[in-house]
Amino acid sequence: EDQVTQSPEALRLQEGESSSLNCSYTVSGLRGLFWYRQDPGKGPEFLFTLYSAGEEKEKERLKATLTKKESFLHITAPKPEDSATYLCAATENRDDKIIFGKGTRLHILP
Amino acid sequence: DVKVTQSSRYLVKRTGEKVFLECVQDMDHENMFWYRQDPGLGLRLIYFSYDVKMKEKGDIPEGYSVSREKKERFSLILESASTNQTSMYLCATQGNQPQHFGDGTRLSIL
Repeated sequence: EDQVTQSPEALRLQEGESSSLNCSYTVSGLRGLFWYRQDPGKGPEFLFTLYSAGEEKEKERLKATLTKKESFLHITAPKPEDSATYLCAATENRDDKIIFGKGTRLHILP
Repeated sequence: DVKVTQSSRYLVKRTGEKVFLECVQDMDHENMFWYRQDPGLGLRLIYFSYDVKMKEKGDIPEGYSVSREKKERFSLILESASTNQTSMYLCATQGNQPQHFGDGTRLSIL
């Protein structure tokens, strides 16, 4: 069964304390790996798409990387406004359906 | 920027009522999706559509139906609302990739 698993479920960091969120996937023929940010009471906001192992994308304090089995979202020197739930998702080559992980709730303490 | 508009942010309805949730997109995307999001369960796909008048069941279609009469509008219908349909409902649209989401409708069934 195709799956996307995120860890940890929740993470509390001090402001400035860098860390990484993990997304492991088992899909047959990865077409794309996506990262979203979701604030409470709002819809997911698209951050990055990664297509092949070794690819990296950056935006401000966030960097997403991809291997053949997992993706990491690295957050460098986070600020309280980076607090949110981060969702990982994957699509396969065979169709447009997207498989979501359950997310990591990130809380940055000032 | 892709804009996905859901008609209501909050909605309260009674058991047995017929409920309509509307979603409109302005990007001429072919694909549209309806999800529900519940704590601990993540995003679950209810129905999706790849074209006007076309619909496909997702993972949890029971108790729901959809309508897509125009390309830009995708409606989710709860035929006879029940308390277990209390949830956050999210609409998404997709051109190539990735999916873009609306801000969601928080639906309470009393």
